Amino acid sequence: AQSVTQLGSHVSVSEGALVLLRCNYSSSVPPYLFWYVQYPNQGLQLLLKYTSAATLVKGINGFEAEFKKSETSFHLTKPSAHMSDAAEYFCAVSESGATNKLIFGTGTLLAVQP
Amino acid sequence: GAGVSQSPSNKVTEKGKDVELRCDPISGHTALYWYRQRLGQGLEFLIYFQGNSAPDKSGLPSDRFSAERTGESVSTLTIQRTQQEDSAVYLCASSLLAGPTDTQYFGPGTRLTVL
Repeated sequence: AQSVTQLGSHVSVSEGALVLLRCNYSSSVPPYLFWYVQYPNQGLQLLLKYTSAATLVKGINGFEAEFKKSETSFHLTKPSAHMSDAAEYFCAVSESGATNKLIFGTGTLLAVQP
Repeated sequence: GAGVSQSPSNKVTEKGKDVELRCDPISGHTALYWYRQRLGQGLEFLIYFQGNSAPDKSGLPSDRFSAERTGESVSTLTIQRTQQEDSAVYLCASSLLAGPTDTQYFGPGTRLTVL
C-alpha cells in the first residue's frame, strides 16, 4: 500500500528565509507525487506534481520539489519565504489503480514571521 | 472558468439528523472524488465516480454514508443519522480524466458540525 509521511506538522520561518517542507513516500510502484496548498477557508490548490518526466519539478509561486528515489523523498522548497506563503501544505501520492485516488499526508502548517 | 463549487459552505446539525452535501464539478470533468478532512488530519478518500462506471465506495466509513452522481454533473453526499465523529470538512474534487497524473481540482469544502 502507498503512503506519505510529512515530517513536522508546524514549520516557522522568517520572511526571506528558505522554506523546506519534508515529504517521504512509500510505494511499491513508481509513484506520482503532488504538493497542494490550502489557504485559510479555501480549497486545496495544486502547487506542483511529479509525473516522472523530470526529477526537479517547478511549480507556482516560486516553489519547487525534487524527486529522490534513493531517499524516497519529495521535499518542497522555496528560496525566499513571503508572508503570503503562510498556509497548510499537503503532500500526496496517487494510488495506482482504477481510481487513482490521492493518498495525503497529514499536512504541514507553515508560518512566516516578519 | 468556474471551478468546483460546493454547498452549503457550513452546516450545523444535531446528532441523529440526516445531511446532504452538494458538489458541482468543473464542466466536462469525468472524474469526481469526495474526501473528508478531520481536524488535524490529512484528507481521507471517501468515494469516486468516473463517467457511467460503478463508483468506488471503498473509502466510505459506514453504511450511513452514501453518494450519487448524475452523469458527469452534480454529486450529492448524504450522511444519515449523523454522529459527532462525522464532524469534518468534506471536500469534493474533479479531474478531466482519471489517470494517475491528472490534476484534481478541489472545491472550498463544506464544514459539517454535528452537535
